Amino acid sequence: ETGVTQTPRHLVMGMTNKKSLKCEQHLGHNAMYWYKQSAKKPLELMFVYNFKEQTENNSVPSRFSPECPNSSHLFLHLHTLQPEDSALYLCASSPRGGKKYDQPQHFGDGTRLSIL
Amino acid sequence: GENVEQHPSTLSVQEGDSAVIKCTYSDSASNYFPWYKQELGKGPQLIIDIRSNVGEKKDQRIAVTLNKTAKHFSLHITETQPEDSAVYFCAASHFGNEKLTFGTGTRLTIIP
Repeated sequence: ETGVTQTPRHLVMGMTNKKSLKCEQHLGHNAMYWYKQSAKKPLELMFVYNFKEQTENNSVPSRFSPECPNSSHLFLHLHTLQPEDSALYLCASSPRGGKKYDQPQHFGDGTRLSIL
Repeated sequence: GENVEQHPSTLSVQEGDSAVIKCTYSDSASNYFPWYKQELGKGPQLIIDIRSNVGEKKDQRIAVTLNKTAKHFSLHITETQPEDSAVYFCAASHFGNEKLTFGTGTRLTIIP
């Protein structure tokens, strides 16, 4: 059983819809990440939050809007998406601070997003 | 930035045989190298990692070796079992940098 929970597991939406992906971690970590996983491509880092502050935006289009209200929860708000945005969106968390910089990231099982 | 190349993209081995997956990295400052296993419908799960101050690490049937000079690291799975069938990803980062750079993955199939 994963310590990182993502909902929903599957989402189908039209290009004009607005939806949100949710991630919750129960591991006491203070860094959280959003990744995009497309077929035959490496995992692409999208956003990083440390202690609720965004520390990385990997040139992600503004139609993806992250929100991190606390160290345990992470959201990805979606609006006006394109067909090429169809992918598996993965959330991860890790400990941060002190000597914990090279601790592994723990992933959730992802949200499979399909854009019609 | 860092670039990680992973080979092969697909690998089939007979049950009981060994499997080896290789990755190369470009940034000599990288010093942390995790391996993840992803089963169908699941997220990546860490199976083993190695830091640059060691050359080899073993955990039961899984081992990872690191050659800093050549900038490559490898995953070794011995006595393979059907449940080892999955996609395996290597990754690299350096101390203090939260950005993991992933390889493109290897689909491993164990033939009963």
